[in-house]
Amino acid sequence: QKEVEQDPGPLSVPEGAIVSLNCTYSNSAFQYFMWYRQYSRKGPELLMYTYSSGNKEDGRFTAQVDKSSKYISLFIRDSQPSDSATYLCAMSAGGGADGLTFGKGTHLIIQP
Amino acid sequence: SQTIHQWPATLVQPVGSPLSLECTVEGTSNPNLYWYRQAAGRGLQLLFYSVGIGQISSEVPQNLSASRPQDRQFILSSKKLLLSDSGFYLCAWSAQDEKLFFGSGTQLSVL
Repeated sequence: QKEVEQDPGPLSVPEGAIVSLNCTYSNSAFQYFMWYRQYSRKGPELLMYTYSSGNKEDGRFTAQVDKSSKYISLFIRDSQPSDSATYLCAMSAGGGADGLTFGKGTHLIIQP
Repeated sequence: SQTIHQWPATLVQPVGSPLSLECTVEGTSNPNLYWYRQAAGRGLQLLFYSVGIGQISSEVPQNLSASRPQDRQFILSSKKLLLSDSGFYLCAWSAQDEKLFFGSGTQLSVL
């Protein structure tokens, strides 16, 4: 079983829809959770950062962590064509960013 | 604010040629620095990280090496490139926490 699982997609949704992106993981020691957005041929950009369980909201983005189910989600409300990108989840047990484990990313397409 | 610069954006090199990719960080002191490679379908692979000048940790033994000659400068090198070295190379930095900030990347094609 891989440490972090993420559906590669592509996930195609119409503009304005609510998008749900998800990752599952197996290491119960993970307690730091991040979402990155990566446009084609660009570096990943940190979108959301959460510690332990719960929700965090930033504008149209909501990150949700369920440690009991080992499941994290990123919701995008009122999706825009500019949200089309690959979204990577990342997580760590602590001790520094060298311990980050990344998902392989979900390719999201927002249709105008 | 902190910024990270990585160049070049695109590089085409023949097999057997040397490589030098450079990365610099501005607006912070004593950052942790990282080199990643991203291959299609394989995700992000940590190659090297450094917690200080001259301190390099290698995650994957291979044809590449890294150096940190100055506090905010990180260099990825190879003496002789292989076809398998092709990929998208990313430099990144962090403070002493879990948040990682990436550069814009270098697409390396070895022909």
